[in-house]
Amino acid sequence: NAGVTQTPKFRILKIGQSMTLQCTQDMNHNYMYWYRQDPGMGLKLIYYSVGAGITDKGEVPNGYNVSRSTTEDFPLRLELAAPSQTSVYFCASRPKRQGKVEAFFGQGTRLTVV
Amino acid sequence: GDSVTQMEGPVTLSEEAFLTINCTYTATGYPSLFWYVQYPGEGLQLLLKATKADDKGSNKGFEATYRKETTSFHLEKGSVQVSDSAVYFCALLLPETSGSRLTFGEGTQLTVNP
Repeated sequence: NAGVTQTPKFRILKIGQSMTLQCTQDMNHNYMYWYRQDPGMGLKLIYYSVGAGITDKGEVPNGYNVSRSTTEDFPLRLELAAPSQTSVYFCASRPKRQGKVEAFFGQGTRLTVV
Repeated sequence: GDSVTQMEGPVTLSEEAFLTINCTYTATGYPSLFWYVQYPGEGLQLLLKATKADDKGSNKGFEATYRKETTSFHLEKGSVQVSDSAVYFCALLLPETSGSRLTFGEGTQLTVNP
């Protein structure tokens, strides 16, 4: 069982370039989340989704976009990369079932914008 | 809005010392509370959880009790080991009626020396 899979693991972007961070889960979870973790800091919520076709902004959505066309996939798009977006990005998912509150995390994508 | 505040780190202890990491929260409704652990270079793993007031979560010798009256969820361990060295995150999950946001604290770096 793969769980939550993020690709790529590492990426270096030039200022102004765009890219998509991929996140896929095979647990049929309704909820999915994108976080960024800056050095020495906690996790900040970028966007989240409660199901296919539904997304909502978190604390730090500026500069990012998401889509949720299927239950499995929740890609995060950076349109015009900026140095301030250098961070480690984590995707997470969790089920909607009553009492099943644990979130499962991917291994992260380390992004550097130069 | 919802938020989680953790004691500032880093924390350095000797092996077999007692550990406390403080966590307080602000939230509407009745959140579920969690402690996650992050080992170097990895994603987050659930350590323990509590879904209602007075619940005690426990795992691997760690414990935390959901205290609604003080809005706290402090992490404790009676005797830490070198292998416990990691970053610990307190988190809350709002119920579905309040949007299901999963919010993290800043994290506390724990180093245990032999």
